Amino acid sequence: KAGVTQTPRYLIKTRGQQVTLSCSPISGHRSVSWYQQTPGQGLQFLFEYFSETQRNKGNFPGRFSGRQFSNSRSEMNVSTLELGDSALYLCASGPGTVESYEQYFGPGTRLTVT
Amino acid sequence: DQQVKQNSPSLSVQEGRISILNCDYTNSMFDYFLWYKKYPAEGPTFLISISSIKDKNEDGRFTVFLNKSAKHLSLHIVPSQPGDSAVYFCAASAAGRRALTFGSGTRLQVQP
Repeated sequence: KAGVTQTPRYLIKTRGQQVTLSCSPISGHRSVSWYQQTPGQGLQFLFEYFSETQRNKGNFPGRFSGRQFSNSRSEMNVSTLELGDSALYLCASGPGTVESYEQYFGPGTRLTVT
Repeated sequence: DQQVKQNSPSLSVQEGRISILNCDYTNSMFDYFLWYKKYPAEGPTFLISISSIKDKNEDGRFTVFLNKSAKHLSLHIVPSQPGDSAVYFCAASAAGRRALTFGSGTRLQVQP
């Protein structure tokens, strides 16, 4: 089975711009979660989608949003970028069932805001 | 407020010996725990998990122990191999939520 894929792998944006990151989950996985990793805050949960619905949300401002499509692929959008948004953004997928809480991560998108 | 803590930033062990990585948590609502391994510039790789209804789970060289009363879990790697050198993250999930709360990680170095 192919793993979680994320595009693009690297991105450089300017303050004030917006950005969209994409994630394709492992085939058959219906849950997709997004995380932000920074040196100061570590790995932090952004949100989780299941069957096109946001099921859980972390403590991030409304500039961070996401969506999931009917094929379980997901996108994450950050509007009005700030320097502090520079981070590694990780997508993770999982079965999302009550029997399984495992999440499998993609390689991440490295976002640099200048 | 760090709900998941990995108090040892680094650990060095000899090849063939046991590696023990520790993790403490404060949130009583956590009921599912996972360990991940991470190399630089890569996403975390899932290693092993444990539900709060168990106190031990094994998978090959990896064993996770959970002590609910102490709110403590540990990952044992036996025998340790140089390829195990990486940063190890402990993560926890509360009932019904798939929002993982991660510790700050422990860098394991296995010396040949």
